[in-house]
Amino acid sequence: QSALTQPPSASGSPGQSVTISCTGTSSDVGGYNYVSWYQCHPGKAPKLIIYEVTKRPSGVTDRFSGSKSGNTASLTVSGLQAEDEAVYHCSSYGGNSNLVFGGGTKLTVL
Amino acid sequence: QPQLQESGPGLVKPSETLSVTCSVSGDSISTNYYWGWLRQPPGKGLEWIASIHHSQSKVYSPSLKSRVTISVDTSKNQFSLKLSSVTAADTAVFYCARHDLHHFDYWGQGSLVIVSS
Repeated sequence: QSALTQPPSASGSPGQSVTISCTGTSSDVGGYNYVSWYQCHPGKAPKLIIYEVTKRPSGVTDRFSGSKSGNTASLTVSGLQAEDEAVYHCSSYGGNSNLVFGGGTKLTVL
Repeated sequence: QPQLQESGPGLVKPSETLSVTCSVSGDSISTNYYWGWLRQPPGKGLEWIASIHHSQSKVYSPSLKSRVTISVDTSKNQFSLKLSSVTAADTAVFYCARHDLHHFDYWGQGSLVIVSS
């Protein structure tokens, strides 16, 4: 059982926006602004798309955005494209040098 | 930007020690980053295992600390993980990644290790 809770699946049509949630506790998501999101395509290296809740690494499209409210972080994918179909994992710093992850959300572009 | 490549045994017997190595190219492992190991069991989420700095500073997941040894070889630009007393529950894709503060910014493609007799 993962420390952070994500919905197992999400979907949207091309051009639409989809939001994926990541729920933790006040000891991780709610306690620190250190939430990150990773995009995983089968057989490829996972890719960092959001770090420190809202920041995008260089080269990551601005169609990805992150936010946080209380113990829940969210990833929004705007203007859905076929290439966005992947599994998205959230992670948070959990204190005492610990990092915790969610179970992953499979995003399907209809 | 660094490229990371995992290498592992593929198959390990229960109760034995699993060993995986990460070779880093395009960047020196002696920069001011930690280098980490994560895993993903089939059908489950990612799990951070441990990370190491070239200075030998190490950080561990509390749940795995008792079974984990992490090491770095700066001469080969590699770092390694050993996980002892493995069971079927340790079957997973093992990833290595560069650990920047509280996130992982570059990853390898992963190495599947199956624990089975």
